[in-house]
Amino acid sequence: QKEVEQDPGPLSVPEGAIVSLNCTYSNSAFQYFMWYRQYSRKGPELLMYTYSSGNKEDGRFTAQVDKSSKYISLFIRDSQPSDSATYLCAMNKIGTDKLIFGTGTRLQVFP
Amino acid sequence: DAGITQSPRHKVTETGTPVTLRCHQTENHRYMYWYRQDPGHGLRLIHYSYGVKDTDKGEVSDGYSVSRSKTEDFLLTLESATSSQTSVYFCAIRETGSNYGYTFGSGTRLTVV
Repeated sequence: QKEVEQDPGPLSVPEGAIVSLNCTYSNSAFQYFMWYRQYSRKGPELLMYTYSSGNKEDGRFTAQVDKSSKYISLFIRDSQPSDSATYLCAMNKIGTDKLIFGTGTRLQVFP
Repeated sequence: DAGITQSPRHKVTETGTPVTLRCHQTENHRYMYWYRQDPGHGLRLIHYSYGVKDTDKGEVSDGYSVSRSKTEDFLLTLESATSSQTSVYFCAIRETGSNYGYTFGSGTRLTVV
């Protein structure tokens, strides 16, 4: 079993839709949670990060962490065609140097 | 890309040949990482470095070696390339003192024929 599970998609939604992307994890020691966005043939770029449980909002993006369920989510409101990319969740533990990634979910937003 | 340069961007090589990929940073960060990205597996850590001459293995280190003789350069070597090492390789740096500040390079697309 992988430490981090993520549905690969693809997820196809119309412009303006609310998108929900999710990851589950098995190791309760994870404390730092990140979402990366990766455009085709580019490197991943950090989109949002949270520490421990709770919500964080940045413009159209909201990240949620539920440590009791070992479940993290990224919500995109008013999705745009420019949001079409692969979204990767990532996490690491306090005191370690290793970032563990999900497999990524490919999102397509059509006009 | 936050001062990270990977070279080459693309490479085709034959099975059994050695290959070296280079990652160069201009920001003097201590931590550097090599990942590979494959369909269905996401990004997997190969090796990482926490300082000059200080390196450690990741989850998929077999068949790879690394060297870091200068802060700015982190080299990944495939000793004898195999077709299973066909992949996209990403270098990353972590900002000193940050648990989140990982920045990735643009990647090297390697094909082993």
